Amino acid sequence: SYELTQPPSVSVSPGQTASITCSGDKLGDRYACWYQQRPGQSPVLVIYQDNKRPSGIPERFSGSNSGNTATLTISGTQAMDEADYYCQAWDSRTGVFGGGTKLTVL
Amino acid sequence: EVQVVESGGGLVQPGRSLRLSCAASGFTFDDYAMHWVRQAPGKGLEWVSGISWNSGSIGYADSVKGRFTISRDNAKNSLYLQMNSLRVEDTALYYCAKDVRKQQLVGWGLDYWGQGTLVTVSS
Repeated sequence: SYELTQPPSVSVSPGQTASITCSGDKLGDRYACWYQQRPGQSPVLVIYQDNKRPSGIPERFSGSNSGNTATLTISGTQAMDEADYYCQAWDSRTGVFGGGTKLTVL
Repeated sequence: EVQVVESGGGLVQPGRSLRLSCAASGFTFDDYAMHWVRQAPGKGLEWVSGISWNSGSIGYADSVKGRFTISRDNAKNSLYLQMNSLRVEDTALYYCAKDVRKQQLVGWGLDYWGQGTLVTVSS
């Protein structure tokens, strides 16, 4: 079965750029999306179709996808961005999530 | 305003059945694929099942294939998940979610999520 691999944790200083990766076999050949989940809340879509932002998502969130890796980039990271982040893609008719990355802003 | 509201969770013994429902509003329900995603306590997200706009395309995670059945009633703007032969490892918060993309099961991202309904499988 298809697998997506994320680092368990990423740390960033306020105002700096955070990058979270998601790796999967030929991931660049399919669309990837990203979700933010704060504690006790439902997930929020922050990037879809590799690099598109839903309405209401700040411009500091951006995405890319090429080769075997999709990347979520948060520029000018703020304290409110501290959360778990999950990538997701499709394998045939099955959805697949990455294991999640805890972003710490310190 | 787009809303999806799950219901039907609860405590159930292993081997028994449960049916989850999701009531959708604020968008043209029969234009979009819908999905169920679950999250076990303290764990990550797991895609469970999805259904295209007209029920013509359906997918299941390997972990639930043969035990769970997804369905939808476009006339009632509702999504369902029939869960049979429940196991302890099915214990999770179950979310209903709408895809960004119209019609197709294989989507672009889930843009609206409910608050979830908790399923606890225990003897």
